[in-house]
Amino acid sequence: EVQLVESGGGEVQPGRSLRLSCTTSGFTFADHAMSWVRQAPGKGLEWVSFIRSKAYTGNTEYAASVKGRFTISRDDSKSIAYLQMNSLQTEDTAVYYCTRAVRLAAGGTRYYFDYWGQGTLVTVTS
Amino acid sequence: EIVMTQSPATLSVSPGERATLSCRASQSVSTNLAWYQQKAGQAPRLLIYGASTRATGIPARFSGSGSGTEFTLTISSLQSEDFAVYYCQQYNNWPPWTFGQGTKVEIK
Repeated sequence: EVQLVESGGGEVQPGRSLRLSCTTSGFTFADHAMSWVRQAPGKGLEWVSFIRSKAYTGNTEYAASVKGRFTISRDDSKSIAYLQMNSLQTEDTAVYYCTRAVRLAAGGTRYYFDYWGQGTLVTVTS
Repeated sequence: EIVMTQSPATLSVSPGERATLSCRASQSVSTNLAWYQQKAGQAPRLLIYGASTRATGIPARFSGSGSGTEFTLTISSLQSEDFAVYYCQQYNNWPPWTFGQGTKVEIK
């Protein structure tokens, strides 16, 4: 059974940092791209960040709203994805979901999100 | 950036009735379109990918159609567990991956 469990959320002051973890099981983590999606209270879904598998360069992508402040990474030996969030702002307050990103066919370039964790709440407040 | 627009914002439906949700892309996304269901207090769940392929374990009463810029999610006979918010998402042109604002399906 595929499982993704986020941790590391909490309350933090503006300008501070937080690191989220996504611990996975039930699939070969190293073979999959991963992504983070967030949801502000009462709002819709917003994609945040993406990391390919190392077999496909391991490169990363970021939403404009977090570029330069957030860093996504992965530890294939532990099957964990991370989201390092620096210079947090009040508008970063949201539930952060970790997702597995998959393609229809090997070598394809279109990724969608098939499994989601339960989310971890990040509250940025003074 | 591709903008996804869903309609209506809220859909009031009686159990057993059919629900039709719409999603429009600001430019063609081919069939690289997914639908997600989110129940209150829960994470989103993948329903449909490739515009019309049901994800594993999704009941046959959920169906997706469309291509290019116009897409539809149909729930043929609403069950009590189907009342939720539904999001469409394009994954044709990324980054960024973009979602619609959601359609809430509520009990009439």
